[in-house]
Order: sequence, then C-alpha cells, then structure tokens
Amino acid sequence: NAGVMQNPRHLVRRRGQEARLRCSPMKGHSHVYWYRQLPEEGLKFMVYLQKENIIDESGMPKERFSAEFPKEGPSILRIQQVVRGDSAAYFCASSSQGMPYEQYFGPGTRLTVT
Amino acid sequence: GQQVMQIPQYQHVQEGEDFTTYCNSSTTLSNIQWYKQRPGGHPVFLIQLVKSGEVKKQKRLTFQFGEAKKNSSLHITATQTTDVGTYFCAGNYGQNFVFGPGTRLSVLP
Repeated sequence: NAGVMQNPRHLVRRRGQEARLRCSPMKGHSHVYWYRQLPEEGLKFMVYLQKENIIDESGMPKERFSAEFPKEGPSILRIQQVVRGDSAAYFCASSSQGMPYEQYFGPGTRLTVT
Repeated sequence: GQQVMQIPQYQHVQEGEDFTTYCNSSTTLSNIQWYKQRPGGHPVFLIQLVKSGEVKKQKRLTFQFGEAKKNSSLHITATQTTDVGTYFCAGNYGQNFVFGPGTRLSVLP
C-alpha cells in the first residue's frame, strides 16, 4: 500500500515565479492537510481539504497561496509570485477520516526561492 | 489563539539515560497526538491520547495526558541511538491540529 506521495521532492524557483506542489494521499484517504515547516521549527498548519472542498484554510496566507483537491488527481498547493520567505519544507498529510484521526505524512517538498 | 508549547527545546542524553519532553496548551484540548521526525525525514505518527489522565505505553515510550487535558508528556526509558529525532506534540482543538515547536533529542553513544 503506497504511502503519501509528494512531488517534486525539491523545487527551486526564482522570486516572482509560481510554485506548484502536488500531493497524492494514501489509497482510500479522502482528507488532505498541508503544513509548512521552516528549518529547525515546528509544523504550521495551512489548510485542510476533502475532495472538492476546503474545510479549513485558517492557516493559509490570504494572498498568493491557494490549494485544491479535485475529484480526480492529486491535491495541489499553489504559491504565486514566490518570495524568499516562502522557502521551506511543505508537508502534505492524509487521513481516512477527518480530524482528529491519525495523519500519514508524505516525504515533503523542499522549496528554495532564489 | 491556541498555542502549544514544548520543553525542552533540545535535549542531549547519553545512551541508556531516560528522556522526557513536556507539552502544554494554553486551552483545553480535545485530544493530543505525538509525532517523531528523524533528521531530514517527515513526521511519523506515534500515538493519540483522548481521555483525561490517559497513559499509554509503546515499548520504552510512555505517553501521558493530563487530568485537565491541557498538558501531556512523552517519556523514553533507556534511550537508544535510534531514538534520535525531533518529537512533536500536536493539540487538537476541533478543526485542526496545532503543532508544538518540538523537542530535538540527541543520543550520544
């Protein structure tokens, strides 16, 4: 049973470009969560999605960031016009049911903005 | 807003010594989860505590949930080098989890 898949694992973008991060949840999981982790810091909740619905986006910056989880295909976290401060590891997690169930994390995408 | 704090931030122990990390919430939690993240890796779920005063054990790891459901602890007995990593608690307040900053454990052989 494949775990949570994230790609790319590493992404380098210049300031002003767009970053697209993909997350395929574990088979049978319909709940996806995105977190951001700065070096040597904890995980910051960004957004919680179910298929075609955003359940909670209270941790998502109001501008430049968006997330979706379409009926078919992976969940996408999109960052427009990236800035240096967006450099971080972005982790996706999935669960079979909504909060507060066990979350399975993917390997993360390390975004570097130059 | 909800805040989750963890102490200590770092802990260096000699192999075989015990280790404890503490997690405190500013408000009452619905439940709490613990995760471990190895250096360069991703968080891995360890356990979830739901009931007030709950104690759960996993081999050398003991997890406790406070009576008031505002604090929790993770205790490792006789640490091994494989215990190296950062231990995070995550407090559930309903719709999402708030992660603590983590305790980074180093184990010297």
